[in-house]
Amino acid sequence: DIQMTQSPSTLSASVGDRVTITCRASQSIGIWLAWYQQKPGKAPKLLIYQASNLESGVPSRFSGSGSGTEFTLTVSSLQADDFATYYCQQYDNYSTFGQGTKLEI
Amino acid sequence: QLQLQESGPGLVKPSETLSLTCTVSGDSIKSAYYWGWIRQAPGMGLEWLGSTYYDGSRYYSPSLKNRVTTSVDTSKNQFSLRLFSVAAADTAVYYCARHLSPRASRDAFDIWGPGTMVTVSS
Repeated sequence: DIQMTQSPSTLSASVGDRVTITCRASQSIGIWLAWYQQKPGKAPKLLIYQASNLESGVPSRFSGSGSGTEFTLTVSSLQADDFATYYCQQYDNYSTFGQGTKLEI
Repeated sequence: QLQLQESGPGLVKPSETLSLTCTVSGDSIKSAYYWGWIRQAPGMGLEWLGSTYYDGSRYYSPSLKNRVTTSVDTSKNQFSLRLFSVAAADTAVYYCARHLSPRASRDAFDIWGPGTMVTVSS
């Protein structure tokens, strides 16, 4: 199985900050990586697919980059609505998710 | 507008079979997409269980392969999950979701149901 490791597990930030979350794969997955945002009691919401493609309707302050084994999700200027938990998902070989990064104030 | 809705028992006894159904509305389940199941144990991360296509093609998580099956009922526009021999560790919110791209058996998930909580307990 491909293991996905996110860092940090928790990230404290403020409105207006630029933040970056990292996701590392245990082996190369090309660009087959997605990012999700999840709020308490809600289903995850797709933000980014194929490592850097912004899903329709997602604000442009979200961006993704990377390939192979290292990927990043960047939020350029945090808004109050962005405080949530973020997950990466590889779908190169079956599918596995990272353990999550909680973005808190 | 495509919507998904999970349904099934909220309580299952240990060693029994968990059965859930996802009803697709707003589009046909034969619309060339794969349909998946993902779960989330309380306070934990997401775990993909399996994905299925309307023609019967299926892919399962290697860690659950011997305990999980999926199926599609095109007449009801539904797909289903069965998880055998459940234990307390299978307690989770179970989500159904649609793959992002047509005919992609491994993909991101763009449309999700709201999720249904299943507790395994005697």
